[in-house]
Amino acid sequence: GAGVSQSPSNKVTEKGKDVELRCDPISGHTALYWYRQSLGQGLEFLIYFQGNSAPDKSGLPSDRFSAERTGGSVSTLTIQRTQQEDSAVYLCASSLAVGDQFFGPGTRLTVL
Amino acid sequence: RKEVEQDPGPFNVPEGATVAFNCTYSNSASQSFFWYRQDCRKEPKLLMSVYSSGNEDGRFTAQLNRASQYISLLIRDSKLSDSATYLCVVFNAGGTSYGKLTFGQGTILTVHP
Repeated sequence: GAGVSQSPSNKVTEKGKDVELRCDPISGHTALYWYRQSLGQGLEFLIYFQGNSAPDKSGLPSDRFSAERTGGSVSTLTIQRTQQEDSAVYLCASSLAVGDQFFGPGTRLTVL
Repeated sequence: RKEVEQDPGPFNVPEGATVAFNCTYSNSASQSFFWYRQDCRKEPKLLMSVYSSGNEDGRFTAQLNRASQYISLLIRDSKLSDSATYLCVVFNAGGTSYGKLTFGQGTILTVHP
């Protein structure tokens, strides 16, 4: 069956521009997570959705970051006024069971 | 102190070697534990869950010591294809952390011929 998909796979943008990253979770998975991973670093938790609500937004690094999920399915992560330090791979994961998170291939964001 | 800490590595071992990775976690209320594997420039994938009684999956053995808040992964008879980054992962439920997995920084393993 289809796994988690993310788009775009690569995004190059200029500093100060807004970007929107999309995640399509596995059908039926109620939990959805966003992480980011900088080069050579571990995964940094950003936000978690259970259905359409986000009980844990503690990882969002600043108010320039926001995320929403509609219909219990697709989620978008928006970064406003991008900065160079936002450059990273943004990973989305979905799960039905505890711990068994299925990750998408990620969006590689480069802010020039 | 980081919530999940791992041996930084890198570990460079010959084929056939046995290698062990360690991980400690700071939250004594953590409920579930996992090892994920991440290949270069790929997404992480679940390798195995870690149970209190210890569990084995082929060449891989995971152990959990709740008293010491310590998790380990043992790989026997290493293969070239085992080369990857191994991520120790801890699950905390309850309150605002419900459903949150915390990933360690990862340990890099390179298996050479």
